[in-house]
Amino acid sequence: GQQVMQIPQYQHVQEGEDFTTYCNSSTTLSNIQWYKQRPGGHPVFLIQLVKSGEVKKQKRLTFQFGEAKKNSSLHITATQTTDVGTYFCAGPSRGKLIFGQGTTLQVKP
Amino acid sequence: KAGVTQTPRYLIKTRGQQVTLSCSPISGHRSVSWYQQTPGQGLQFLFEYFSETQRNKGNFPGRFSGRQFSNSRSEMNVSTLELGDSALYLCASRTYQANEQFFGPGTRLTVL
Repeated sequence: GQQVMQIPQYQHVQEGEDFTTYCNSSTTLSNIQWYKQRPGGHPVFLIQLVKSGEVKKQKRLTFQFGEAKKNSSLHITATQTTDVGTYFCAGPSRGKLIFGQGTTLQVKP
Repeated sequence: KAGVTQTPRYLIKTRGQQVTLSCSPISGHRSVSWYQQTPGQGLQFLFEYFSETQRNKGNFPGRFSGRQFSNSRSEMNVSTLELGDSALYLCASRTYQANEQFFGPGTRLTVL
């Protein structure tokens, strides 16, 4: 079945440094979604990308969808302590939403 | 609008027992999905209901079942609990036209 892989699994950064997480699917995706889960919380939808090569920005967050629609990335510029949490990508497969394992971001003040 | 609510928030059961979890979606959302979240396996899709019908099912044993009522509220049942069923069970709702999922706070199930 379809697999969605995310790397790295963990990332520790100093506040102010940049952060990137990568997501790769074993199959072409019709769209990809990104969610953030704060420690002790639940996943919260961040964004959806649909078009090949699409780039979307939300303040310090930049999301990209690969040309082949099999990979995606989330880049955070100048991390802040409020960015702490686990970032998940998710892609649809036969009516199900398949989540990557997530990248847990720790930010040292 | 009120968010997705789940009850109970915490539950402790022993092996062999059964459990029922409840989820109330956002008003107007007719699709409800259930996920199991564990440190080892991450977020795994259990099933999705729309208009009282199961639309999709993940790779979980038959001990995991669910249903949806006419008001879109959903319940999930796990029978003959095993230690490995200890997890955070998340419910998410959406409108059927949109992909964005709105998650509830989850039910933390511990099986002893």
